[in-house]
Amino acid sequence: SQTIHQWPATLVQPVGSPLSLECTVEGTSNPNLYWYRQAAGRGLQLLFYSIGIGQISSEVPQNLSASRPQDRQFILSSKKLLLSDSGFYLCAWSVGQILSPLHFGNGTRLTVT
Amino acid sequence: AQKITQTQPGMFVQEKEAVTLDCTYDTSDQSYGLFWYKQPSSGEMIFLIYQGSYDEQNATEGRYSLNFQKARKSANLVISASQLGDSAMYFCAMIGGSNYKLTFGKGTLLTVNP
Repeated sequence: SQTIHQWPATLVQPVGSPLSLECTVEGTSNPNLYWYRQAAGRGLQLLFYSIGIGQISSEVPQNLSASRPQDRQFILSSKKLLLSDSGFYLCAWSVGQILSPLHFGNGTRLTVT
Repeated sequence: AQKITQTQPGMFVQEKEAVTLDCTYDTSDQSYGLFWYKQPSSGEMIFLIYQGSYDEQNATEGRYSLNFQKARKSANLVISASQLGDSAMYFCAMIGGSNYKLTFGKGTLLTVNP
């Protein structure tokens, strides 16, 4: 069966520091991969998605970036964190056709101080 | 563009009763999928149920059913026989057939009272 691993679970970082969040999927090949962010008490905002290695679609501002160095690995990065980057970051995967449910990891709670 | 509207910020239900969570959507795609997710206080997003735009029958998964009314563009979630463990945030979401982006509503916080 497929599983998704996301780490770390919690992270406290100072403003201006770099960020790297990692997500890996097991048990499937060529998954579609996603990064979402959820601000406190709000809905989910799509940040990036990828339907294959080397293909990244960005939905948000420039302070964040994403990479997919391997088929089942998705990394969210920032060179310099802002206070507004605080939130709950969720990685997700789906397979096959477009109309497939996304399955989410347990999330990373990021606090920028 | 896709839009999901959940008009109930919070709902209360007595244990063992049924509850309906509302969701309306808007899309220009002819083919699309509708989803409901549950988010407990621990934060993980749990997939509950899926309805395709061409599915003629309403989807059901255990105590969850999706009341799909295509002409009204609504996809309400019905939870039967509520349990205390159902207390959580519930999100309606959709994917249009022309892209891979899952768009979420703002959610409804369900509280089940004993």
